[in-house]
Amino acid sequence: KQEVTQIPAALSVPEGENLVLNCSFTDSAIYNLQWFRQDPGKGLTSLLLIQSSQREQTSGRLNASLDKSSGRSTLYIAASQPGDSATYLCAVNRGKLIFGQGTELSVKP
Amino acid sequence: NAGVTQTPKFQVLKTGQSMTLQCAQDMNHEYMSWYRQDPGMGLRLIHYSVGAGITDQGEVPNGYNVSRSTTEDFPLRLLSAAPSQTSVYFCASSAPRGKVSTDTQYFGPGTRLTVL
Repeated sequence: KQEVTQIPAALSVPEGENLVLNCSFTDSAIYNLQWFRQDPGKGLTSLLLIQSSQREQTSGRLNASLDKSSGRSTLYIAASQPGDSATYLCAVNRGKLIFGQGTELSVKP
Repeated sequence: NAGVTQTPKFQVLKTGQSMTLQCAQDMNHEYMSWYRQDPGMGLRLIHYSVGAGITDQGEVPNGYNVSRSTTEDFPLRLLSAAPSQTSVYFCASSAPRGKVSTDTQYFGPGTRLTVL
């Protein structure tokens, strides 16, 4: 059974820091991996999608990497801002999305 | 485009009552799905559909029914609500390739349901 784990569960950093969020999964047979952002009381917003054949994707200050062989993905956020405060979720796609529990990020001014 | 819309935003039910959560998308997506989000459990797939007239069960289907008569709409029905169904419900859609969805999934804003 595919399991998705995100570490740490919560993270607090000062504004301006570069940071890395981690996602690990147990079965490498995936179609793609998607990173989402969820603000309190809101729905999920897609940030980046990495197909299984890709190694990384970039969007603005965000960079996501994928290493299928080791079952890992990282989301790198450069020059963090208070507006980045949210919960970040990763999900692997094996025909259906399987989500991690998320990392709650707080960026302090 | 409005994207994925869900109604109602909030709902309180008594045990045993029935209701339908509505989901609609205007992106002509074939793939639609329902998730529930619970503290400590994350998001779990309830039911999904790869096109009009086709539905299938996800991880936690018990207590829920779905149907897909049009591409745009994918309602979720609770026939006899139970306190264990208190949760936040999200609908999502994407454009599939073949029989699985490998594209970006777009989520609605959610319905917060409380069953007393």
